[in-house]
Parts: sequence; C-alpha cells; structure tokens
Amino acid sequence: NAGVMQNPRHLVRRRGQEARLRCSPMKGHSHVYWYRQLPEEGLKFMVYLQKENIIDESGMPKERFSAEFPKEGPSILRIQQVVRGDSAAYFCASSLGSPASYEQYFGPGTRLTVT
Amino acid sequence: QKEVEQDPGPLSVPEGAIVSLNCTYSNSAFQYFMWYRQYSRKGPELLMYTYSSGNKEDGRFTAQVDKSSKYISLFIRDSQPSDSATYLCAMNSGGYQKVTFGTGTKLQVIP
Repeated sequence: NAGVMQNPRHLVRRRGQEARLRCSPMKGHSHVYWYRQLPEEGLKFMVYLQKENIIDESGMPKERFSAEFPKEGPSILRIQQVVRGDSAAYFCASSLGSPASYEQYFGPGTRLTVT
Repeated sequence: QKEVEQDPGPLSVPEGAIVSLNCTYSNSAFQYFMWYRQYSRKGPELLMYTYSSGNKEDGRFTAQVDKSSKYISLFIRDSQPSDSATYLCAMNSGGYQKVTFGTGTKLQVIP
C-alpha cells in the first residue's frame, strides 16, 4: 500500500556538485510529474514523464536540469552544477495518466539545500 | 498575469466557522479543477476534484466551479484546528496536460 516514495528526503550539496533526486510512483501509475516549491510560493511544474518518454518539459530550466523515467526503476531528476538558487523542495507526483492526469498523488518531497 | 490567481492569506478563523477559499483563472481550456491540502513540510494531498462547472460535496468540504466567471471555490463547514494547512487550487485541460497550481492560501483554525 505504498504511496509515492521520494528519496532522499533531505539533500545537502555544495555549489557545483550534482544533485540526484529519486521518485517511485504509486503501484500501477505510469505517469510521473516533478514540481519545485520555493518558500511562500506555489508548486511550479517542471516536467511530465511517462515510462521512457518525456511528455512535457516546458517547466524545466534549459540548462543543468534533466529528468528520466526508465522502463525499470524510479524516475530521476538530475541537477548538475547546483547553485544556491536551486535550494527548494522538489515534489514528485504520479497518476494513472490520461484522462486522469488531473488526479495526482504526491510524495513527501526532497528538500535540497545548496551551501 | 498568472494563469491561476489565489489569495495567499493567511486566513485565520475560529473553530466551527465556515471557510471560503477561492481561485480565479484565465485559461478557458481548463476543465478539471482540484483542491489540494498541504501541511507544513509535507507533500500536497488531493482533497477533491470537479469536472467542468457545478458543485461537489464530500463531508464537510464543498467544491464549486463557475466556468462562466472563471472562478472556483472550496467551502469548509464546521472548521477544525486539524484543517489548519495551506490549500492549493489546481486545474488542467485534461488528457496529457500538465496541472497548473495556485500559490496556495494558508488557513489557521483557532480552537
């Protein structure tokens, strides 16, 4: 009965290092979404993935950020050469997909701190 | 102009009060309207969703959608201290479309 799982829950990186965030969707869900949340701000959409496909990456910064959802294993959000401005909570959500893309279930988030 | 506007609050009410939370939006293609609740330092939790215009009730919660005015509301009856959280409205146009969130309204219910 596991929900959406994210790890690590907290991640500290120094400027210039790489951050790798993992998300395992709910059982039976094949669609994954990544969001970023800054203090006092709402959830900002980053990317929408289906197994082995990127459906919508319109919210991803053009540089340093990438995401994948392989056939086997969790979805990964990768941030290369992190900067202080990348410090935020990153949430992953999953759904059954169309037409239920609106019904998303969220994980507990990964809080990234860049020092 | 943001696609979805939501008053950030904070909104402070006494226990037992009726709470009204609202969002406006600009994209007429939106068809699915959701409300999420987020406790501090937790992930958002889906409360309710509504398709197109109309009302939907679930226990103490009622969601209303007025597509002609591009306005959605969430009402909480008999509010409890455990309802203290941030409430986010969200919407999308269905299919393989991303969900757009409001910035959230912080609610505090005082015992």
